Amino acid sequence: QVQLVESGGGLVKPGGSLRLSCAASGFTFSDYYMSWIRQAPGKGLEWVSYISSSSSYTNYADSVKGRFTISRDNAKNSLYLQMNSLRAEDTAVYYCAREDCSSTSCYLDYWGQGTLVTVSS
Amino acid sequence: SYELTQPPSVSVSPGQTARITCSGDALPKKYAYWYQQKSGQAPVLVIYEDSKRPSGIPERFSGSSSGTMATLTISGAQVEDEADYYCYSTDSSGNHRRVFGGGTKLTVL
Repeated sequence: QVQLVESGGGLVKPGGSLRLSCAASGFTFSDYYMSWIRQAPGKGLEWVSYISSSSSYTNYADSVKGRFTISRDNAKNSLYLQMNSLRAEDTAVYYCAREDCSSTSCYLDYWGQGTLVTVSS
Repeated sequence: SYELTQPPSVSVSPGQTARITCSGDALPKKYAYWYQQKSGQAPVLVIYEDSKRPSGIPERFSGSSSGTMATLTISGAQVEDEADYYCYSTDSSGNHRRVFGGGTKLTVL
Protein backbone atom coordinates (compact mmCIF):
# COMPACT_ATOMS: atom_id res chain seq x y z
CA GLN A 1 0.00 0.00 0.00
CA VAL A 2 1.09 3.55 -0.68
CA GLN A 3 2.75 5.22 2.30
CA LEU A 4 4.14 8.72 2.62
CA VAL A 5 5.89 9.69 5.86
CA GLU A 6 7.06 13.25 6.45
CA SER A 7 9.79 14.23 8.90
CA GLY A 8 12.01 17.17 9.76
CA GLY A 9 9.48 19.58 11.21
CA GLY A 10 10.10 21.53 14.38
CA LEU A 11 10.60 24.94 15.95
CA VAL A 12 12.81 27.42 14.09
CA LYS A 13 13.49 31.13 14.54
CA PRO A 14 12.45 33.71 11.94
CA GLY A 15 15.07 33.89 9.22
CA GLY A 16 16.18 30.33 9.89
CA SER A 17 16.18 27.23 7.70
CA LEU A 18 14.68 23.78 7.84
CA ARG A 19 14.70 20.75 5.53
CA LEU A 20 11.66 18.51 5.35
CA SER A 21 11.79 14.95 4.08
CA CYS A 22 9.12 12.59 2.81
CA ALA A 23 9.81 8.85 2.62
CA ALA A 24 7.70 7.05 0.02
CA SER A 25 6.89 3.35 -0.22
CA GLY A 26 4.38 1.01 -1.84
CA PHE A 27 4.69 2.40 -5.37
CA THR A 28 7.30 3.16 -8.03
CA PHE A 29 8.37 6.56 -6.74
CA SER A 30 10.30 7.52 -9.88
CA ASP A 31 7.09 7.31 -11.98
CA TYR A 32 5.23 10.08 -10.17
CA TYR A 33 5.19 13.83 -9.75
CA MET A 34 5.20 14.82 -6.06
CA SER A 35 3.91 17.89 -4.24
CA TRP A 36 4.14 19.70 -0.92
CA ILE A 37 1.01 21.28 0.55
CA ARG A 38 0.72 23.19 3.83
CA GLN A 39 -2.00 24.15 6.25
CA ALA A 40 -1.56 26.97 8.76
CA PRO A 41 -3.27 26.44 12.13
CA GLY A 42 -7.03 26.79 11.72
CA LYS A 43 -6.68 27.71 8.05
CA GLY A 44 -7.22 26.07 4.68
CA LEU A 45 -4.95 24.05 2.43
CA GLU A 46 -2.30 25.85 0.38
CA TRP A 47 -0.37 24.18 -2.44
CA VAL A 48 3.35 24.95 -2.03
CA SER A 49 5.35 23.22 -4.76
CA TYR A 50 5.58 20.26 -7.14
CA ILE A 51 8.41 18.39 -8.84
CA SER A 52 8.24 16.16 -11.89
CA SER A 53 9.19 12.50 -11.80
CA SER A 54 12.69 13.08 -13.15
CA SER A 55 13.19 16.47 -11.44
CA SER A 56 13.07 18.23 -14.81
CA TYR A 57 10.22 20.52 -13.78
CA THR A 58 9.51 22.33 -10.53
CA ASN A 59 6.92 24.93 -9.65
CA TYR A 60 6.25 27.06 -6.61
CA ALA A 61 3.52 29.17 -5.09
CA ASP A 62 4.33 32.89 -5.12
CA SER A 63 4.38 32.89 -1.31
CA VAL A 64 7.47 30.64 -1.18
CA LYS A 65 9.21 31.24 -4.52
CA GLY A 66 12.85 32.15 -4.04
CA ARG A 67 12.91 30.86 -0.44
CA PHE A 68 11.89 27.19 -0.75
CA THR A 69 13.46 24.51 -2.95
CA ILE A 70 11.85 21.17 -3.75
CA SER A 71 14.01 18.18 -4.70
CA ARG A 72 13.88 14.41 -4.81
CA ASP A 73 16.17 11.39 -4.75
CA ASN A 74 14.57 8.58 -6.74
CA ALA A 75 17.22 6.11 -5.60
CA LYS A 76 16.17 6.73 -2.00
CA ASN A 77 12.43 7.08 -2.71
CA SER A 78 12.53 10.43 -0.97
CA LEU A 79 11.15 13.92 -1.48
CA TYR A 80 12.56 17.04 0.15
CA LEU A 81 11.66 20.64 0.83
CA GLN A 82 14.48 23.02 1.74
CA MET A 83 12.98 26.05 3.48
CA ASN A 84 15.11 29.17 3.91
CA SER A 85 14.41 32.68 5.23
CA LEU A 86 11.49 31.33 7.21
CA ARG A 87 8.77 33.70 8.39
CA ALA A 88 6.07 33.44 11.04
CA GLU A 89 3.50 33.00 8.27
CA ASP A 90 5.26 29.79 7.17
CA THR A 91 4.05 28.14 10.38
CA ALA A 92 1.93 25.20 9.24
CA VAL A 93 1.54 21.47 8.95
CA TYR A 94 3.38 20.44 5.79
CA TYR A 95 2.04 17.47 3.82
CA CYS A 96 3.71 15.61 1.00
CA ALA A 97 1.42 14.08 -1.60
CA ARG A 98 1.68 11.93 -4.70
CA GLU A 99 0.37 13.37 -7.96
CA ASP A 100 -1.55 11.21 -10.43
CA CYS A 101 -1.15 12.84 -13.83
CA SER A 102 -3.10 12.18 -17.01
CA SER A 103 -2.54 13.91 -20.35
CA THR A 104 -4.75 16.79 -19.24
CA SER A 105 -4.41 17.20 -15.48
CA CYS A 106 -2.75 16.16 -12.25
CA TYR A 107 -4.25 15.63 -8.85
CA LEU A 108 -3.17 14.55 -5.39
CA ASP A 109 -4.20 10.96 -4.78
CA TYR A 110 -2.23 9.98 -1.67
CA TRP A 111 -1.15 12.16 1.25
CA GLY A 112 1.15 11.77 4.22
CA GLN A 113 0.07 12.62 7.75
CA GLY A 114 2.05 15.84 7.82
CA THR A 115 4.85 17.41 9.87
CA LEU A 116 4.47 20.62 11.89
CA VAL A 117 6.77 23.58 11.26
CA THR A 118 6.64 26.41 13.79
CA VAL A 119 8.48 29.66 13.08
CA SER A 120 8.77 31.69 16.25
CA SER A 121 11.36 33.54 18.29
CA SER B 1 -3.20 34.82 -9.22
CA TYR B 2 -5.87 32.22 -9.92
CA GLU B 3 -8.51 31.64 -7.24
CA LEU B 4 -11.22 29.11 -6.50
CA THR B 5 -14.14 30.42 -4.42
CA GLN B 6 -16.17 28.30 -2.01
CA PRO B 7 -18.81 29.24 0.58
CA PRO B 8 -17.29 29.19 4.09
CA SER B 9 -20.01 26.98 5.53
CA VAL B 10 -22.95 24.75 4.65
CA SER B 11 -25.32 23.21 7.16
CA VAL B 12 -27.85 20.40 6.67
CA SER B 13 -29.80 17.95 8.79
CA PRO B 14 -28.99 14.22 8.58
CA GLY B 15 -30.55 12.66 5.49
CA GLN B 16 -30.76 15.94 3.59
CA THR B 17 -28.77 16.78 0.47
CA ALA B 18 -25.72 19.00 0.89
CA ARG B 19 -24.35 20.96 -2.04
CA ILE B 20 -20.98 22.71 -1.94
CA THR B 21 -19.99 24.95 -4.83
CA CYS B 22 -16.62 26.00 -6.21
CA SER B 23 -16.25 28.76 -8.77
CA GLY B 24 -13.22 29.52 -10.89
CA ASP B 25 -12.60 31.06 -14.30
CA ALA B 26 -10.55 28.09 -15.52
CA LEU B 27 -13.06 25.40 -14.59
CA PRO B 28 -14.51 25.22 -18.13
CA LYS B 29 -11.05 24.02 -19.24
CA LYS B 30 -9.70 22.29 -16.12
CA TYR B 31 -11.08 19.48 -14.00
CA ALA B 32 -12.19 20.04 -10.42
CA TYR B 33 -11.24 17.69 -7.62
CA TRP B 34 -12.73 17.49 -4.13
CA TYR B 35 -11.05 16.61 -0.85
CA GLN B 36 -12.61 15.84 2.52
CA GLN B 37 -10.65 16.69 5.65
CA LYS B 38 -11.86 15.61 9.07
CA SER B 39 -10.48 17.25 12.17
CA GLY B 40 -6.84 16.36 12.79
CA GLN B 41 -6.56 14.16 9.71
CA ALA B 42 -4.97 14.40 6.29
CA PRO B 43 -7.25 15.20 3.36
CA VAL B 44 -8.90 12.37 1.41
CA LEU B 45 -9.92 12.54 -2.26
CA VAL B 46 -13.68 12.08 -2.68
CA ILE B 47 -14.22 13.21 -6.31
CA TYR B 48 -11.78 13.42 -9.21
CA GLU B 49 -12.11 14.75 -12.78
CA ASP B 50 -15.31 16.65 -11.92
CA SER B 51 -17.53 13.66 -11.29
CA LYS B 52 -15.64 10.40 -10.77
CA ARG B 53 -15.66 8.68 -7.41
CA PRO B 54 -12.57 6.83 -6.12
CA SER B 55 -13.02 3.30 -4.88
CA GLY B 56 -14.12 3.19 -1.28
CA ILE B 57 -15.98 6.51 -1.39
CA PRO B 58 -19.72 6.09 -0.66
CA GLU B 59 -22.15 6.51 -3.56
CA ARG B 60 -23.85 9.42 -1.80
CA PHE B 61 -20.88 11.57 -2.89
CA SER B 62 -21.18 12.93 -6.43
CA GLY B 63 -19.72 15.78 -8.43
CA SER B 64 -20.64 17.90 -11.42
CA SER B 65 -19.27 20.87 -13.30
CA SER B 66 -20.88 23.40 -15.58
CA GLY B 67 -19.21 26.51 -16.90
CA THR B 68 -17.21 28.21 -14.18
CA MET B 69 -18.80 26.28 -11.31
CA ALA B 70 -18.16 22.82 -9.91
CA THR B 71 -20.47 21.27 -7.33
CA LEU B 72 -19.98 18.54 -4.76
CA THR B 73 -23.26 16.90 -3.76
CA ILE B 74 -23.74 14.65 -0.76
CA SER B 75 -27.12 12.95 -1.08
CA GLY B 76 -28.50 11.89 2.27
CA ALA B 77 -25.71 13.41 4.31
CA GLN B 78 -24.62 11.47 7.39
CA VAL B 79 -23.24 12.78 10.66
CA GLU B 80 -19.89 11.22 9.74
CA ASP B 81 -19.74 13.45 6.63
CA GLU B 82 -19.22 16.50 8.82
CA ALA B 83 -15.83 17.83 7.71
CA ASP B 84 -14.06 20.53 5.74
CA TYR B 85 -14.28 20.15 1.97
CA TYR B 86 -11.81 21.68 -0.48
CA CYS B 87 -11.99 21.97 -4.23
CA TYR B 88 -8.71 21.78 -6.18
CA SER B 89 -7.74 22.55 -9.73
CA THR B 90 -5.01 23.96 -11.94
CA ASP B 91 -4.45 27.40 -13.35
CA SER B 92 -5.12 27.44 -17.11
CA SER B 93 -2.86 30.42 -17.81
CA GLY B 94 0.06 28.15 -18.66
CA ASN B 95 1.93 28.37 -15.37
CA HIS B 96 0.54 24.95 -14.31
CA ARG B 97 0.19 26.04 -10.69
CA ARG B 98 -2.18 24.09 -8.47
CA VAL B 99 -4.77 25.88 -6.35
CA PHE B 100 -7.17 25.01 -3.54
CA GLY B 101 -10.44 26.69 -2.78
CA GLY B 102 -10.74 28.30 0.63
CA GLY B 103 -12.66 25.34 2.03
CA THR B 104 -16.24 24.78 3.18
CA LYS B 105 -17.15 23.58 6.66
CA LEU B 106 -20.03 21.11 6.34
CA THR B 107 -22.12 20.75 9.48
CA VAL B 108 -24.57 17.85 9.69
CA LEU B 109 -26.91 18.11 12.67
